[in-house]
Formats: sequence, C-alpha cells, structure tokens
Amino acid sequence: GAGVSQSPSNKVTEKGKDVELRCDPISGHTALYWYRQSLGQGLEFLIYFQGNSAPDKSGLPSDRFSAERTGGSVSTLTIQRTQQEDSAVYLCASSLRSGDGETQYFGPGTRLLVL
Amino acid sequence: GEDVEQSLFLSVREGDSSVINCTYTDSSSTYLYWYKQEPGAGLQLLTYIFSNMDMKQDQRLTVLLNKKDKHLSLRIADTQTGDSAIYFCAESRGGNTGKLIFGQGTTLQVKP
Repeated sequence: GAGVSQSPSNKVTEKGKDVELRCDPISGHTALYWYRQSLGQGLEFLIYFQGNSAPDKSGLPSDRFSAERTGGSVSTLTIQRTQQEDSAVYLCASSLRSGDGETQYFGPGTRLLVL
Repeated sequence: GEDVEQSLFLSVREGDSSVINCTYTDSSSTYLYWYKQEPGAGLQLLTYIFSNMDMKQDQRLTVLLNKKDKHLSLRIADTQTGDSAIYFCAESRGGNTGKLIFGQGTTLQVKP
C-alpha cells in the first residue's frame, strides 16, 4: 500500500509568517510521530499521537509549535511566527501501534526554509 | 541526539566491509535501531535489535550489541556503491510511546 506522504515537499517562507505542514500516515496506523532534522541538532522527536489519547508534546521546542491529528488520520504541524532557526526538514512517521519494537515508517519530509 | 553518539563520516572501498559504531547512554533502552537515509529520501528502517540480544544477522548486515559498554555497531559486508547514505542509530527507551532518540548520523561514502 501507499507509504507515509507529506506535503509540501519544500516550503520557503519569510520570518514571522505561519506555516502548516501536513502528514498522511499509512492507512490503519494508529501511532503518528513528528521529528525534525536540522544541521545543528540532528534528528529530534517533536510530538507523538496515539489513537484518541492526549498527544505527547514533550519534544516541541517552543509554544510557537503545535500539532493536531484529525479523525485519527491526517496530522498537521503548525509553526507560528517562524524564525530562521526553524529551518529544517520535518519528518513524519507512523506505526501500526505505539510502543517499543513497532516499526516506524517515515515520510520523505518537508524541507522548510525560513528567510 | 546528545545521548546517542556516532562518528560523522566513514569512507570505504567497494567490496570492503563497513563498520558503523554508535554509543548510547541510557541503560533502559529496550530496542536499538539502524536507519538508512539516502539523498532526498526519508528514513528507511534497516534492522533493529532487542536489548537482550548480542547479535543479529540479516543478509549482509550484522548488528552487534555490547550492553555493558552501551555500544552498538552495524557491519555491512561486501559494501556496494548503493550503500552510500547516512546511517542513523536510534534507541527506544521503553514505555508505550516508542519515540526514538537518534544519533547524529554517519555518512558512509563507498568508493568504486
């Protein structure tokens, strides 16, 4: 079946603008993760959703970052008032269930550049 | 990724074996993973090992885990130019979330 898809693949924005990044997980996967890959910080966990449970937001770097997952499927990561340090590749992953040993399947990422 | 460390670069000749090393600090890690990232592509899971295992072999890939030293390695036998990529090790620390803590990634360059 189809893998994890993300859109847009590339986004260029001006400092101070808001951006929305979208993730379509694999159908039937109940767990969804957002990670950020940047030059200075490597790959960092941002947020995790499992079913209807409250998300684990422990990795969000500031309150400018938020995410939601509608209907247990599509997720949107929103960055408000973007800053240059937000420039990175934002990766989404999904797994059948949450927990150790569950394979996470990654999307191709959204490359965000804040000018 | 400060809790998981990898060397940044490795260069080998085609046909040689490659060994990519990783150290981690959290002894509660339950699963340890190796992911591959090719240019412009997402992360692809290569293999993983449960923390009560010492070794896992899968075709050309061999994973060794030294839990005492918190050291993980990935050996690629008969390395090919198509193996050129960035390799990330990652740990999962138990619990229900399964969130991964990644190393910085090792860029493997395979010379013909």
